[in-house]
Amino acid sequence: EAQVTQNPRYLITVTGKKLTVTCSQNMNHEYMSWYRQDPGLGLRQIYYSMNVEVTDKGDVPEGYKVSRKEKRNFPLILESPSPNQTSLYFCASSQTGETKAFFGQGTRLTVV
Amino acid sequence: GESVGLHLPTLSVQEGDNSIINCAYSNSASDYFIWYKQESGKGPQFIIDIRSNMDKRQGQRVTVLLNKTVKHLSLQIAATQPGDSAVYFCAENNAGNNRKLIWGLGTSLAVNP
Repeated sequence: EAQVTQNPRYLITVTGKKLTVTCSQNMNHEYMSWYRQDPGLGLRQIYYSMNVEVTDKGDVPEGYKVSRKEKRNFPLILESPSPNQTSLYFCASSQTGETKAFFGQGTRLTVV
Repeated sequence: GESVGLHLPTLSVQEGDNSIINCAYSNSASDYFIWYKQESGKGPQFIIDIRSNMDKRQGQRVTVLLNKTVKHLSLQIAATQPGDSAVYFCAENNAGNNRKLIWGLGTSLAVNP
């Protein structure tokens, strides 16, 4: 089944404790991206990657890092999480030249 | 339609009626306009897209209309079903801008049985 898998689905952590949210897709897509979704603000892109070893900032990259060492994986790293990073996070992937993006189920992160 | 603020616009319809969800977009250079559906607890799911050189496209029970003159996009759902209850997002895509999607804030559709 074609899918984007994020882990964990839920996470509560403390300020300053490094964490990684994993994202994996099985569709051989070149393009992957991370979004955060907040009430009243919609979906905002954090980082995106157009292919392996190619990553770039989206609209709200501060406080986040990503890596793309393999085509299928695109982890989101929070080196020192802060409460303003409490949000619902989505990973998405798509084929080059296509508008249809596939989204993961989301990761609800709470930073206390 | 789309709006800024803490509360999503809400559309409430009776099961079996047609639904129309509206969206205003901002960038005349966008190549594609896309509709996504997000059910509670899930990620957004692609519904349909329309290229900027078209004014209408039909899918299964859905029709998207594009009016470039007034920068308006609409999604029509025929014979709305309870399973259509979700938040609907429009997004615009500019292929020249690293394929970045610009998202609307969403409209919540509630289908009453």
